[in-house]
Amino acid sequence: GAVVSQHPSWVICKSGTSVKIECRSLDFQATTMFWYRQFPKQSLMLMATSNEGSKATYEQGVEKDKFLINHASLTLSTLTVTSAHPEDSSFYICSARDLTGGVQYEQYFGPGTRLTVT
Amino acid sequence: RKEVEQDPGPFNVPEGATVAFNCTYSNSASQSFFWYRQDCRKEPKLLMSVYSSGNEDGRFTAQLNRASQYISLLIRDSKLSDSATYLCVVRTGGGNKLTFGTGTQLKVEL
Repeated sequence: GAVVSQHPSWVICKSGTSVKIECRSLDFQATTMFWYRQFPKQSLMLMATSNEGSKATYEQGVEKDKFLINHASLTLSTLTVTSAHPEDSSFYICSARDLTGGVQYEQYFGPGTRLTVT
Repeated sequence: RKEVEQDPGPFNVPEGATVAFNCTYSNSASQSFFWYRQDCRKEPKLLMSVYSSGNEDGRFTAQLNRASQYISLLIRDSKLSDSATYLCVVRTGGGNKLTFGTGTQLKVEL
């Protein structure tokens, strides 16, 4: 199946700093990527849909100025958590759609990034 | 009411047991249904899609009841390696958005 990578795997940062997370589709082009957040013992919650070359679409309740998304190429989307606070500590997972093959609409998930803000 | 509801478990079963998980969804316009598996601190991985006619993949059988808005997953001959959280996932409409249940945790024991 298609491979999606995420970096870093985990990060610990101090409150008030910004953290950038990268999501890459390694063997396919992804016009659409998705960013999810998962708190302990909770379900994955979609934060935003990232479209290559255009602005991201954010879900209700997600602050677009706090979670900056850039999808500059067909293989890379980035999520920047600006002025991070302890309540932003979570497991951030990206996914990408591969429309060139495989199951239509199937999303391939990255391995996730565990963010801890101290 | 949550869009996708699952019993969180955990379900503790002996190796070789048969176990079933259920899931209900609230949006009758939902069109696509999936079961994902998520291991601790890992990303979700697609286990199987769920079709109206029911479908089977080895030891795993998925069923969909549109009238009751109910999805099930049956695992036969459980293995230790089946221990994970099983996520019920629903797509509504032709768009991209997937809605995840909170997951049902399965622990298979010796």
